Amino acid sequence: AQSVTQLGSHVSVSEGALVLLRCNYSSSVPPYLFWYVQYPNQGLQLLLKYTSAATLVKGINGFEAEFKKSETSFHLTKPSAHMSDAAEYFCAVSGWNSGGYQKVTFGTGTKLQVIP
Amino acid sequence: NAGVTQTPKFRILKIGQSMTLQCTQDMNHNYMYWYRQDPGMGLKLIYYSVGAGITDKGEVPNGYNVSRSTTEDFPLRLELAAPSQTSVYFCATHTSGSYEQYFGPGTRLTVT
Repeated sequence: AQSVTQLGSHVSVSEGALVLLRCNYSSSVPPYLFWYVQYPNQGLQLLLKYTSAATLVKGINGFEAEFKKSETSFHLTKPSAHMSDAAEYFCAVSGWNSGGYQKVTFGTGTKLQVIP
Repeated sequence: NAGVTQTPKFRILKIGQSMTLQCTQDMNHNYMYWYRQDPGMGLKLIYYSVGAGITDKGEVPNGYNVSRSTTEDFPLRLELAAPSQTSVYFCATHTSGSYEQYFGPGTRLTVT
């Protein structure tokens, strides 16, 4: 079984401040981990992914995430928040189901507010 | 390339009505998925397909049906709409061996 827990349904940061969105996962096999971003009234867009290569993963728009197996975490960070980063962020874990499809389990999402 | 397109963008249904949500992809991907998104709940898998002619249930299939007659299209059918089906529906796709899913823009459905 696999699961994802995102800590904090809402996070507020000031423009220019560090962004830290927390994600902890549970998986019985080596996980594939993702962060997706959703802007208002849009679909989800992949920010970055971890697929067992480098533990520090860089994504689009200056975001990065570090896979820490000992802590079962995959937190998302950005050194300096921009107003355009205001969106909802979803952490997800995936594996291949016995039925032959990619089973993706999404977290419940964290809405990021950036304060001018 | 348009990627993944969904129609309609918005729809209001009365209880008991039926409708089909359309999803089309031009990426030639084998795998297609339907999710529903409810506030604070993340995304839940309704149905999926691993190729034309092959579909199967996900976590929350009750009240829905799908078909996959072509690689490009994966329509989702609601036969007897209920208020519990008020949600935002997303179609997604990926290719064999890839872990990245590509999402459509969504359909916002309200059942009253």
